[in-house]
Amino acid sequence: RKEVEQDPGPFNVPEGATVAFNCTYSNSASQSFFWYRQDCRKEPKLLMSVYSSGNEDGRFTAQLNRASQYISLLIRDSKLSDSATYLCAVKRSNYQLIWGAGTKLIIKP
Amino acid sequence: EPEVTQTPSHQVTQMGQEVILRCVPISNHLYFYWYRQILGQKVEFLVSFYNNEISEKSEIFDDQFSVERPDGSNFTLKIRSTKLEDSAMYFCASSPGQVMNSPLHFGNGTRLTVT
Repeated sequence: RKEVEQDPGPFNVPEGATVAFNCTYSNSASQSFFWYRQDCRKEPKLLMSVYSSGNEDGRFTAQLNRASQYISLLIRDSKLSDSATYLCAVKRSNYQLIWGAGTKLIIKP
Repeated sequence: EPEVTQTPSHQVTQMGQEVILRCVPISNHLYFYWYRQILGQKVEFLVSFYNNEISEKSEIFDDQFSVERPDGSNFTLKIRSTKLEDSAMYFCASSPGQVMNSPLHFGNGTRLTVT
């Protein structure tokens, strides 16, 4: 089993809709969790850290479920510019991020 | 906003040649990393560096790879004898401190093509 797993998608979503995707992790010792977005052939860019109590940043909401070992990302009122690959990253030590393969999101007009 | 910068943006080299990829991390950051991403695949950890030494490395980071912080600003990744399978995007990243939930900030990447 992969340490960090994501549904690769693509998720095809109409503009303005709400979309959510999950990321599961297998190592219960994982300490920190992040969502990054990556545009084609570009570097990953931090979208948000995921805190235990859940957190929101504008249209984006991240949740952590330690019992079931997954994190989620919810995007409300999706925009065309939200089209990207969303990468889940999990830190199990102070140094190393373990990455999911990413979920591709396509927002259609 | 301060950035991680990487040079060159694209490097083409012949198999067996040595390459050096360069990075300038964000100036007050203490932890430095190299990751790579083969086209169409996920991001993979290579190595982390703190206090002028390697703190952690992956199986990918074998004897062909080395890192160095030759001065106060640059952080380099050297591949001694490149193979075709080294072709990938190489991302440098830095983070500010020891706090576990410090996010990493990535450079734009160097696309390495080994022919």
